[in-house]
Amino acid sequence: DAGITQSPRYKITETGRQVTLMCHQTWSHSYMFWYRQDLGHGLRLIYYSAAADITDKGEVPDGYVVSRSKTENFPLTLESATRSQTSVYFCASTKDRTLYTFGSGTRLTVV
Amino acid sequence: GQSLEQPSEVTAVEGAIVQINCTYQTSGFYGLSWYQQHDGGAPTFLSYNGLDGLEETGRFSSFLSRSDSYGYLLLQELQMKDSASYFCAVRDDSSNDYKLSFGAGTTVTVRA
Repeated sequence: DAGITQSPRYKITETGRQVTLMCHQTWSHSYMFWYRQDLGHGLRLIYYSAAADITDKGEVPDGYVVSRSKTENFPLTLESATRSQTSVYFCASTKDRTLYTFGSGTRLTVV
Repeated sequence: GQSLEQPSEVTAVEGAIVQINCTYQTSGFYGLSWYQQHDGGAPTFLSYNGLDGLEETGRFSSFLSRSDSYGYLLLQELQMKDSASYFCAVRDDSSNDYKLSFGAGTTVTVRA
C-alpha cells in the first residue's frame, strides 16, 4: 500500500544498546523528517533530509544518527540508547513542504 | 530559530465553537499549518495559511495575520470526535530552510 510506514511500532531496549528505527515512504517525496514527541514538548525535530545523501540536524540531534542512501528510506539510529531517549518517534515526508504526512510512530522504551 | 505559543488546554461542550490561538516568532516566515492528533495516533494535516485571511474547510477554519504573527484555528459545531490535540506549526524559509517547527499543542476536550 502507498504511504509512509514506520517499524517497529513498539520497541523496548536496554541502556547502551544501538537501535534503529525504520521509515519507508512510497511517494518518492524528496523531504523526510524525524520528530520525537514527549509530554509537554510537542513535536521536536531530530533530523531532516531534502533528498538522498542530504541530511541536516534539527533541534535535538545529539545521540542520533541518520542516513538516506535511497529516497524512500530514512532510518534513525540511536547509537547508545539512554533513558532520556524514551519517547514516541514520528517520521514524516512532504512533496511540497506545505502538507506533511506522518507515519504511525514508534514507541521506544529504554530500560 | 522559531517559537510558537498556543494554549495548553481547552474544554467545551458538543455543538460549541472553540478558537485556538497561535502566536509565533520566526526569522523567515513562510506559512502557518495546523495538525490534529488523537491519542496514540499520528498527527494529521488540517490546514495551511500562506497568506493573510481565512481558510475554511468544513467545520474547521484557520486564520492568519502575518503583520501580527498570529493565527487561529476555529472548530465549529464541536463533536465528541474532535477531542484531540491540535498543533500549530510554522515553516521557516530563511536560508532556504524547509523544516517544520511545532507548538507544544492544545488539548481540546469535548464534553457531552
